Amino acid sequence: DQQVKQNSPSLSVQEGRISILNCDYTNSMFDYFLWYKKYPAEGPTFLISISSIKDKNEDGRFTVFLNKSAKHLSLHIVPSQPGDSAVYFCAAENQGGKLIFGQGTELSVKP
Amino acid sequence: NAGVTQTPKFQVLKTGQSMTLQCAQDMNHEYMSWYRQDPGMGLRLIHYSVGAGITDQGEVPNGYNVSRSTTEDFPLRLLSAAPSQTSVYFCASSYSGTGVEKLFFGSGTQLSVL
Repeated sequence: DQQVKQNSPSLSVQEGRISILNCDYTNSMFDYFLWYKKYPAEGPTFLISISSIKDKNEDGRFTVFLNKSAKHLSLHIVPSQPGDSAVYFCAAENQGGKLIFGQGTELSVKP
Repeated sequence: NAGVTQTPKFQVLKTGQSMTLQCAQDMNHEYMSWYRQDPGMGLRLIHYSVGAGITDQGEVPNGYNVSRSTTEDFPLRLLSAAPSQTSVYFCASSYSGTGVEKLFFGSGTQLSVL
């Protein structure tokens, strides 16, 4: 049973436009969420995180929004750049302190 | 400034063979872990360790063994490889092991079991 779901396997966006990557979770006890970015042949790298006591966290071009009532979070990238093309994983911290990852969304930013 | 180092990068095994995936970190992290990445499944936790001499099972531990004799090293052993273990394996470490402490990942080992 997938507790963290990224229902869009891929997303294609034009350079300069906004990219919105979505993530849903089922466990209301999750209280910390992270996004990781992965380039081909590399390991995932941390991108941005948000605590459940917040509904928004911003870091440069990247903003994560959390809607606890809907058990939904999203990552906004504005403006999108070709170098943002990668696989993005969302993750939630469970009660044991371990990360549960979603399936990933492959973002392609076209020049 | 090596971070988390995994070897080998690629490996092909025959069913029933054994091998060890190596992982080393130079950040003095207490927590180390192994994940596998499969299409449509995301990253799933295999085993983890919160310090030297301490290991525990993750979400998908069957078919894998680990040990942690030093803070730096956390090898993953496949005793009798099966085609279902074809995957990309990532080692990750962090200071404490909680999600609040972000994980640092190695570059991965692509394993094929024929």
